[in-house]
Amino acid sequence: EAGVAQSPRYKIIEKRQSVAFWCNPISGHATLYWYQQILGQGPKLLIQFQNNGVVDDSQLPKDRFSAERLKGVDSTLKIQPAKLEDSAVYLCASSLEGKGTEAFFGQGTRLTVV
Amino acid sequence: GNSVTQMEGPVTLSEEAFLTINCTYTATGYPSLFWYVQYPGEGLQLLLKATKADDKGSNKGFEATYRKETTSFHLEKGSVQVSDSAVYFCALSKSSGSNYKLTFGKGTLLTVNP
Repeated sequence: EAGVAQSPRYKIIEKRQSVAFWCNPISGHATLYWYQQILGQGPKLLIQFQNNGVVDDSQLPKDRFSAERLKGVDSTLKIQPAKLEDSAVYLCASSLEGKGTEAFFGQGTRLTVV
Repeated sequence: GNSVTQMEGPVTLSEEAFLTINCTYTATGYPSLFWYVQYPGEGLQLLLKATKADDKGSNKGFEATYRKETTSFHLEKGSVQVSDSAVYFCALSKSSGSNYKLTFGKGTLLTVNP
């Protein structure tokens, strides 16, 4: 079974530029998550989709971050404009619905804002 | 809200030593509990899980028991190996309406020396 695919693996941009990350979840997984992992910290949920609807975006900085999940499959996360503090690893994960189901993670995109 | 607290790292052990990484949680009701592991340069992967009180999750020699009375899910291994060097994350999954939200602790870096 193919895993969660993310691209790019690495990205370096200057502050105030924009950047986009892409995620392709495991086929059939209704739930898709985007997490931000700052060095030395645990993953922080940015946004959670159920199919193509948003179920939690309470920690998404909506003035600069946006995300969409087209047709309930692939997803993109965008930052515009980027700030230095956005330097982090952005993790995409997907899961089936239901109690106790495991989330499967991609390898992440490491973003460096200079 | 839901939260996970795990012991501060880093933890450094010699090969064949006993490992304990403490994890406690705050949540109403009965969340599912997980340990994820992140090896260097890789994404997070599930190590073990437990979905109800007194359940014991186990995998690769690691164990953790869901203790409702102490709201804990401590990770243990009787004899660690160099290959166990990684960051370990405790996490909980709790329903919010019809969806499940996955919340992580800050992670504990384990280094095992030969």
